[in-house]
Amino acid sequence: KNEVEQSPQNLTAQEGEFITINCSYSVGISALHWLQQHPGGGIVSLFMLSSGKKKHGRLIATINIQEKHSSLHITASHPRDSAVYICAAIPLTNFGNEKLTFGTGTRLTIIP
Amino acid sequence: NAGVTQTPKFRILKIGQSMTLQCTQDMNHNYMYWYRQDPGMGLKLIYYSVGAGITDKGEVPNGYNVSRSTTEDFPLRLELAAPSQTSVYFCASRIGVRAKNIQYFGAGTRLSVL
Repeated sequence: KNEVEQSPQNLTAQEGEFITINCSYSVGISALHWLQQHPGGGIVSLFMLSSGKKKHGRLIATINIQEKHSSLHITASHPRDSAVYICAAIPLTNFGNEKLTFGTGTRLTIIP
Repeated sequence: NAGVTQTPKFRILKIGQSMTLQCTQDMNHNYMYWYRQDPGMGLKLIYYSVGAGITDKGEVPNGYNVSRSTTEDFPLRLELAAPSQTSVYFCASRIGVRAKNIQYFGAGTRLSVL
């Protein structure tokens, strides 16, 4: 079992829908990242959070450390949001080197 | 700033050949990482470095070597390419300040070993 699990693996939605992608992890962590991988392959960091909630434009990320769970929400989804979204955690055991443990990603497709 | 630059973007190797994947960053980041991404799998850490002259193994180091002679460059060497090394390789870097530990990724190198 992976230390970081994402759901769903694939998600198709209509333009304008509210999107939620979930990430759960089984070890204590110091922080969690949400990454976006574009269809062309490039990876961009969206958020890094260790508590609470962060918002950037139409993207919102939340984390509940006690429940070992994080969510990424997209409001008013648009076809350009189509990408693979990756959750990555920094286990407490990786203090200092900050090595990430990655989920397998959620492939999001937004249909116009 | 160019950020993290990887070369080449694509490469086809024959079994047993050697090559070096180049990675350079111009952000004066201390920490650098090499990952591989296989279809349907999460990124796996191959090697990482916390500063010039310091490298360490990640989860999947076998078949690879690295060096870090300067802060900017972190090349990944494949000595005897095998089909199992067919993958997409990403280099990443981040500043050493823990509170700002977002990783910046290169565009990736798609490698096929035939």
